[in-house]
Amino acid sequence: GAVVSQHPSWVICKSGTSVKIECRSLDFQATTMFWYRQFPKQSLMLMATSNEGSKATYEQGVEKDKFLINHASLTLSTLTVTSAHPEDSSFYICSALQGSHEQFFGPGTRLTVL
Amino acid sequence: KQEVTQIPAALSVPEGENLVLNCSFTDSAIYNLQWFRQDPGKGLTSLLLIQSSQREQTSGRLNASLDKSSGRSTLYIAASQPGDSATYLCAVLNQGGKLIFGQGTELSVKP
Repeated sequence: GAVVSQHPSWVICKSGTSVKIECRSLDFQATTMFWYRQFPKQSLMLMATSNEGSKATYEQGVEKDKFLINHASLTLSTLTVTSAHPEDSSFYICSALQGSHEQFFGPGTRLTVL
Repeated sequence: KQEVTQIPAALSVPEGENLVLNCSFTDSAIYNLQWFRQDPGKGLTSLLLIQSSQREQTSGRLNASLDKSSGRSTLYIAASQPGDSATYLCAVLNQGGKLIFGQGTELSVKP
């Protein structure tokens, strides 16, 4: 099956710093990737759709200047949480679209902001 | 707006029992429905994907059904094992190409 990786798997940072999370499709090319956020005991919420070579599309209520997405190649999308604060602490999961309708998910990144 | 609901929110059963997890969705205009497993602190593992034209999919002890017209899906787990303990998520792919997730059912199988 298609494999998606994320790096780092966990990160702890101080309030005010920026954190970059990478999402890679290892054995297929993905023109479209998605970024989700999951709070404890809650479901996944779509943050944005990342398209290779173009600007990301953000869901309502997601600050695009805070969550910077770059999809510079067909196998890599990055999410940068800028000026992170404790309320940004969460589990971030990416997925990559293979074909037209199936998403394959990464293992997630646990972000803790102190 | 598509909404996905899963019942029950949590379920505890003794080992060996057969069980059913329920998922309902409000908009029947979907491409597919997918069941995932999530272990604590981990990512998602896809279990079964049912295309909108299909009625069910089976994989080992798992069977998922889809009734698109009524907006319902069930995940049947036969002969449950402690290793099945996890959160099970249902998600529908809507016409806009977005996956909408339910809140999940937290399953605990006791030895």
